[in-house]
Amino acid sequence: GNSVTQMEGPVTLSEEAFLTINCTYTATGYPSLFWYVQYPGEGLQLLLKATKADDKGSNKGFEATYRKETTSFHLEKGSVQVSDSAVYFCALNLNTNAGKSTFGDGTTLTVKP
Amino acid sequence: DGGITQSPKYLFRKEGQNVTLSCEQNLNHDAMYWYRQDPGQGLRLIYYSQIVNDFQKGDIAEGYSVSREKKESFPLTVTSAQKNPTAFYLCASSPRSNQPQHFGDGTRLSIL
Repeated sequence: GNSVTQMEGPVTLSEEAFLTINCTYTATGYPSLFWYVQYPGEGLQLLLKATKADDKGSNKGFEATYRKETTSFHLEKGSVQVSDSAVYFCALNLNTNAGKSTFGDGTTLTVKP
Repeated sequence: DGGITQSPKYLFRKEGQNVTLSCEQNLNHDAMYWYRQDPGQGLRLIYYSQIVNDFQKGDIAEGYSVSREKKESFPLTVTSAQKNPTAFYLCASSPRSNQPQHFGDGTRLSIL
């Protein structure tokens, strides 16, 4: 079956530190990959996406590259801010699943001033 | 602006009572989903619907029921058979493809 494994949290960083949150996947086929962000008390928002191998998704200073050879989609940001404190979810979709996503367990990031 | 509206934001249930959570979308998406999120946990799929008048059980459907009579609406009923209903409930929608899901702001259900 399909699965997404995320780096376990929580992750605590100082402001302006470099962020990496690891995500690897298993899928039967060629998935699209997503990172979502969830702020406290809110729903998930799409942060970035990549639909094929070697695509790089980017948004708000965050980046992730679709690596087919390592089945990975690691999230990175060069300099985090306190406002980046949130829960981050990695997810995949397959065309054959008609929109049904597989989500990782989420990684909680706390950025301290 | 298009989006997903969940109501109410907070809901309280008495013992033995059924409660219904509302989810409405104006994105013209075919597929809709209900997830449960417990504190510090990920998302667990309760039910999903890929087309009007059809829906499928997710991973934790016991104690819940849904209907999909209109494309834009997918209400979730938490029945008295759900013994531990306290959680954050999220509704989402998507096209029937490999596109991302769009989420509502959630309903927090508590037991009185």
